[in-house]
Amino acid sequence: NAGVTQTPKFRVLKTGQSMTLLCAQDMNHEYMYWYRQDPGMGLRLIHYSVGEGTTAKGEVPDGYNVSRLKKQNFLLGLESAAPSQTSVYFCASRDGHPKDEKLFFGSGTQLSVL
Amino acid sequence: AQKVTQAQTEISVVEKEDVTLDCVYETRDTTYYLFWYKQPPSGELVFLIRRNSFDEQNEISGRYSWNFQKSTSSFNFTITASQVVDSAVYFCALSEAGRDDKIIFGKGTRLHILP
Repeated sequence: NAGVTQTPKFRVLKTGQSMTLLCAQDMNHEYMYWYRQDPGMGLRLIHYSVGEGTTAKGEVPDGYNVSRLKKQNFLLGLESAAPSQTSVYFCASRDGHPKDEKLFFGSGTQLSVL
Repeated sequence: AQKVTQAQTEISVVEKEDVTLDCVYETRDTTYYLFWYKQPPSGELVFLIRRNSFDEQNEISGRYSWNFQKSTSSFNFTITASQVVDSAVYFCALSEAGRDDKIIFGKGTRLHILP
């Protein structure tokens, strides 16, 4: 049982380059989330989705776009990477029914923007 | 808007000591859910507990216990007889039951258990 899988695990970008982070879950979860983790800042919500075809902004959405074309996948895009986007990115999913269901996390993506 | 505050950035204790990690939350909803997650040095995020706003009973799981007090909007986590393996970053999180489906985390508390 794979759970939540993030690809890639590591990536180095130059300023201005674009990339897409892929999150895939095999638990048929409705809700998916993208967080970034920075030292001293904890986990901050970037965008989230409550179902296929829906997305919503989180706490720090600027500079990122997302898509949820298929229920099992949640893509996070950086159109023009900036050094401030250097971070560890975590994807998570949960069933959402009931709403106290816990999050299942991926193993993270370490992104460095030079 | 929902908010989670973990005022303790970093704590160091000697092994076998008890330690309490504080979590204070803000929400306008009357129904909400609180969580604690552990992030060991390996980096993965491990679920520890969830609590809904209607259940103020304290919970104990082995050396771990949680104290939920709605009157002070706190959901504190105590480790009894700490061990080196408890060294990790601990996050408190809040989810509201309203239309907003965000799950907001605190900044975390880094716990060092010294041998």
